[in-house]
Amino acid sequence: QSVLTQPPSVSGAPGQRVTISCTGSSSNIGSGRDVHWYQHLPGTAPRLLLYSNNNRPSGVPDRFSGSKSGTSASLAISGLQAEDEADYYCQSFDINLNVPFVFGTGTKVTVL
Amino acid sequence: QVQLVQSGAEVKRPGASVKVSCEASGYPFNSYDVTWVRQATGQGLEWVGWMNPGSGRTAYAQKFQGRVTMTRDTSISAIYMELRSLRSEDTGVYYCARGVYDSSGYWADVWGEGTTVTVSP
Repeated sequence: QSVLTQPPSVSGAPGQRVTISCTGSSSNIGSGRDVHWYQHLPGTAPRLLLYSNNNRPSGVPDRFSGSKSGTSASLAISGLQAEDEADYYCQSFDINLNVPFVFGTGTKVTVL
Repeated sequence: QVQLVQSGAEVKRPGASVKVSCEASGYPFNSYDVTWVRQATGQGLEWVGWMNPGSGRTAYAQKFQGRVTMTRDTSISAIYMELRSLRSEDTGVYYCARGVYDSSGYWADVWGEGTTVTVSP
């Protein structure tokens, strides 16, 4: 049972900007815990996209950015490209469950 | 480069056990946790548990308590995840990943390619 809620799908035309929300609670995002984002293409390993809310690992384009406020976070993809079509997951730490990896429900991004 | 290499696909009968390996290279093995995440068929990502290779300390998701055991072989920088009493709902892809943490969070920065486990009569 995911404790972080994401929209099932978002879509956009090439070049557009899309955002994905990640809604948690006071026991995870709202407790001050950071949010991390992963990109997952079927049949491949998940890829760390952003860590600690808005930090990009080496090799991740600056088209990807993140923010956090209160009990929610969001991932923005600007200049959408065909290669961005994938599933995206947010992840945080839940202090009540004492679980270091609580994932969001996942969002499928479709490039029209 | 930092790499996690997992063992190959497995097919098991219900009630059986499976043991998946994850061999690390390119970094000090004892310095990072290894966490396991699965994606059951048609589902999202789900945390299974983690192990600290240096101390051997483990923590498991409540859902898997009593059915999962994580061990390590430091001589070959490998972590193992054994899941017992398999049922059809355990069918999916199991990933190992390197865990990184700071004061505000914990994340996985490098992932293995995944091991497909199929549970079928």
